Amino acid sequence: QVQLQQWGAGLLKPSETLSLTCGVYGGSFSGYYWTWIRQSPEKGLEWIGEINHRGSTNYNPSLKSRVTISVDTSKNQFSLKLTSVTATDTAMYYCARYDSSNQHFFDYWGQGTLVTVSS
Amino acid sequence: IQLTQSPSSLSASVGDRVTITCRASQGINIYLVWYQQKPGKAPKLLIYAASALQTGVPSRFSGSGSGTDFTLTISSLQPEDFATYYCQQLNSYPPTFGQGTKVEIQ
Repeated sequence: QVQLQQWGAGLLKPSETLSLTCGVYGGSFSGYYWTWIRQSPEKGLEWIGEINHRGSTNYNPSLKSRVTISVDTSKNQFSLKLTSVTATDTAMYYCARYDSSNQHFFDYWGQGTLVTVSS
Repeated sequence: IQLTQSPSSLSASVGDRVTITCRASQGINIYLVWYQQKPGKAPKLLIYAASALQTGVPSRFSGSGSGTDFTLTISSLQPEDFATYYCQQLNSYPPTFGQGTKVEIQ
């Protein structure tokens, strides 16, 4: 059974860097894209970006200048960094597995981390 | 690609047949996914490839459509189905979601 468990700081000040990590337990780490999604009342569900086990990334153009997603295959973990946060980055952040091999879907999700940006 | 769901919310009773629509701003073949989300939880995969039922999802859920118009149908609403439903397109980057349809108890 695949499980995704995420962690990271939940309270940030404006201009700080958001940093979250997602650990993947069970199943294969290769053969998938590992994604970050956020959800807020204002913007709904928003795809942030993804990475595969080789380190190949894709980012949402709306966030690309501030986002870095990295992978540590030795630990089956991937991480999100979002720089220069503002109040508009306040959201629930999720990690998820993207099966892009045959069918396309996000089938396993982390539990979510609420990130609040406030001075 | 913009996805527009309708309605934004609906009230229904246990046993009702419920239909939610999702319209894409351009053709997305059948790369359309439906998720269910309950308060405080991550979205749960229901249907992929527009009409394929994810393993373990009850057969009262079904999906249809291709191109730009898609539907999610719950044939007989159960108490555990009261939730918010989202469509998502994975035809082209960036993946995008609909704004959600909240299904409430009448």
